[in-house]
Amino acid sequence: DTAVSQTPKYLVTQMGNDKSIKCEQNLGHDTMYWYKQDSKKFLKIMFSYNNKELIINETVPNRFSPKSPDKAHLNLHINSLELGDSAVYFCASKGVGSYNEQFFGPGTRLTVL
Amino acid sequence: AQSVSQHNHHVILSEAASLELGCNYSYGGTVNLFWYVQYPGQHLQLLLKYFSGDPLVKGIKGFEAEFIKSKFSFNLRKPSVQWSDTAEYFCAVNAPGGSQGNLIFGKGTKLSVKP
Repeated sequence: DTAVSQTPKYLVTQMGNDKSIKCEQNLGHDTMYWYKQDSKKFLKIMFSYNNKELIINETVPNRFSPKSPDKAHLNLHINSLELGDSAVYFCASKGVGSYNEQFFGPGTRLTVL
Repeated sequence: AQSVSQHNHHVILSEAASLELGCNYSYGGTVNLFWYVQYPGQHLQLLLKYFSGDPLVKGIKGFEAEFIKSKFSFNLRKPSVQWSDTAEYFCAVNAPGGSQGNLIFGKGTKLSVKP
């Protein structure tokens, strides 16, 4: 029943490792997003993606890459993890049109040691 | 570029007190405005949204917000808060037709309600 789901919920890893976070939405939405919430709770868009276009926030390091195997999934792959990558990552999705709200996933708390 | 300012970083209230959280945005054109709530350890949930029409918007759990175009504001209000309203509140804006509807969030206001 969960509209937007993410796995894992918690991820603890060492610096330098490569990890992925998965996101799935069962709402039939066309656009998906990744947000980063830092330790001060500030939410910032990282990527927005639909089947036509990927838009990357220019402040996001190229170690981060979204991968979409199909319309319902947008996974986040992170290479060479750094301490500063520790945060909560939220996936979201939105239907067609400008008047639709975004639905958020439960978040993945990433801790880099 | 669009930006959102939330004036209060942390608000502490007693139960039954009235709440008003400030939100201002910077964008000269038509905007869509949102308030999201994040309960401790949970994901963001939509409280209310404004797209057009009546500038006084009613949301879930007794919350409302008023869009004042001349002031570029979209303040959140609730007449009587409850302990269960303890959460982080985020104001957000996007420009219709803007790049895939990206939301620009304010830095959030933490609300603590004392029983």
